[in-house]
Amino acid sequence: TQLLEQSPQFLSIQEGENLTVYCNSSSVFSSLQWYRQEPGEGPVLLVTVVTGGEVKKLKRLTFQFGDARKDSSLHITAAQPGDTGLYLCAGGTSGTYKYIFGTGTRLKVLA
Amino acid sequence: NAGVMQNPRHLVRRRGQEARLRCSPMKGHSHVYWYRQLPEEGLKFMVYLQKENIIDESGMPKERFSAEFPKEGPSILRIQQVVRGDSAAYFCASAPRLGQESSYEQYFGPGTRLTVT
Repeated sequence: TQLLEQSPQFLSIQEGENLTVYCNSSSVFSSLQWYRQEPGEGPVLLVTVVTGGEVKKLKRLTFQFGDARKDSSLHITAAQPGDTGLYLCAGGTSGTYKYIFGTGTRLKVLA
Repeated sequence: NAGVMQNPRHLVRRRGQEARLRCSPMKGHSHVYWYRQLPEEGLKFMVYLQKENIIDESGMPKERFSAEFPKEGPSILRIQQVVRGDSAAYFCASAPRLGQESSYEQYFGPGTRLTVT
């Protein structure tokens, strides 16, 4: 059974601080996605990474896919209150057509 | 371009009643996925459908749950004889035709929050 563990589970920080969220598995994934979900809404896709070692930047967000494609990280620089939400990683496996979602990291950025 | 639509947004059912959740995918998308999310948890895959076909229902309970995606109209997730444990947020996501690569982008709807009393 493929599992994706995210850490930390909860994170509360002050505006302007940096943070890193991790997504780990013992399984290899062919692709990995990161989503942000706000209360009462569906997840919104932030990025898809498909190559081991790949790094993608989206403004203040930096995403990295591990070399072995078993883990990923999301780093946020100078966090803002608008970054508050539930961050979910999701791993895809070739040929199965479905994504396995991680346990989520709930981030709160205080003004 | 309208996004993924789900209705109703909130649904209250008494134990034993039926719940019907609807999902209209984005225009041009022929793949639909249903997920369930319990409070404070991540999303659990339930079923993957293409038009008129169920491709993978490995995450859907064998009893009381069914899903369809007809040639015309929205995808429907149907829960018969609901129980309190069915209370959750149900999300659908749509994706365009899958290409040669294994990765694809799925777009989520706002969800239906089912409460069973």
